[in-house]
Amino acid sequence: AQSVTQLGSHVSVSEGALVLLRCNYSSSVPPYLFWYVQYPNQGLQLLLKYTTGATLVKGINGFEAEFKKSETSFHLTKPSAHMSDAAEYFCAVSGSAGNNRKLIWGLGTSLAVNP
Amino acid sequence: DAGVIQSPRHEVTEMGQEVTLRCKPISGHDYLFWYRQTMMRGLELLIYFNNNVPIDDSGMPEDRFSAKMPNASFSTLKIQPSEPRDSAVYFCASRGLGYNEQFFGPGTRLTVL
Repeated sequence: AQSVTQLGSHVSVSEGALVLLRCNYSSSVPPYLFWYVQYPNQGLQLLLKYTTGATLVKGINGFEAEFKKSETSFHLTKPSAHMSDAAEYFCAVSGSAGNNRKLIWGLGTSLAVNP
Repeated sequence: DAGVIQSPRHEVTEMGQEVTLRCKPISGHDYLFWYRQTMMRGLELLIYFNNNVPIDDSGMPEDRFSAKMPNASFSTLKIQPSEPRDSAVYFCASRGLGYNEQFFGPGTRLTVL
């Protein structure tokens, strides 16, 4: 079975500060990992994903995440927060084949960016 | 590409009425997913299809909910009869061959009075 835990349902940072959103997963098979962003009243948009290969993945809007197998983590970071980054962020995990490919979602982290 | 299209974007109905939500996936995508999002329960997978065939409907809350995919370009999620606790945002997403990620529609905000 797979599961995702996002630590902190609400995170608040100052504009220009480091953004760190935490995601830990459990998976009995090699995982595929995803971060999605949801702006108010919109659908979810893919930020970045890890499937295989390089463990540091870069996404849109300056975000990146590192897959750490030993820590079962896939934390999302951005060096300098912008006001436009305020949104809900979701981490998700899937397996690599068959029915394992449906996404298992975390509960989300709401990011607030203060001026 | 137009992306995943959902209609209506907003629906307000009264308890007991039938509600039909519609989704058009991205052309060529062979997986289609229906989700429900609420503050209390977060994002829940209701059902998903592969090549128009329902694969896993274990997330459908009860018999009042049904979903169909008559062809590769159209799916419906029906609630009959609707109840106030069904109020939520319902998302449709699709995934294509060669993609690992799902592409989401803008959602339908359902309010049942």
